Amino acid sequence: EDQVTQSPEALRLQEGESSSLNCSYTVSGLRGLFWYRQDPGKGPEFLFTLYSAGEEKEKERLKATLTKKERFLHITAPKPEDSATYLCAVQAGSGGGADGLTFGKGTHLIIQP
Amino acid sequence: SAVISQKPSRDICQRGTSLTIQCQVDSQVTMMFWYRQQPGQSLTLIATANQGSEATYESGFVIDKFPISRPNLTFSTLTVSNMSPEDSSIYLCSVEARGNQETQYFGPGTRLLVL
Repeated sequence: EDQVTQSPEALRLQEGESSSLNCSYTVSGLRGLFWYRQDPGKGPEFLFTLYSAGEEKEKERLKATLTKKERFLHITAPKPEDSATYLCAVQAGSGGGADGLTFGKGTHLIIQP
Repeated sequence: SAVISQKPSRDICQRGTSLTIQCQVDSQVTMMFWYRQQPGQSLTLIATANQGSEATYESGFVIDKFPISRPNLTFSTLTVSNMSPEDSSIYLCSVEARGNQETQYFGPGTRLLVL
């Protein structure tokens, strides 16, 4: 069974204090690693898809990295509007739900002014 | 990106009744998915709905409880049947978009409370 674990569960930072959110997983054949942002009362908002080791993608203050051993979302100099729950998900390469995503529980990020 | 709407946005239902949730996309898509997000939990895939074929359900979810329709490439419905308080959750529709990169876009969700 595919599983995704995110750490930490919650993170409180001061504005401008950079940090990383981690994602670990066990999956039978990774097709893609996804990152989403979810605000309270809303559906997940797509951020990135990574496919292979060594791949990096950036969007504003966010950078997603996928290596053979590390998968993390780095946030640089965050602002209060970056406060949200960040979800990591994987798409497996086989099985009945081959195209569906398996999600972690998320990291609840709070940026204090 | 795809714009997805869901109806209703929220509902309060009585035990034993059924609710049908609608998902509408602004463009034709092949793959549509239904997820559930229980309070304090992660998103869990219920089923994959492809146009022209029966939905594929994940372990722990059955068609009798969660019947799905997919009449065309822009629309799908999920019915939550014979509801119990344990069905109180957020139900989310998503679509897979293929272009410069594969991704899945999510609708705003339907918040269901069963009394």
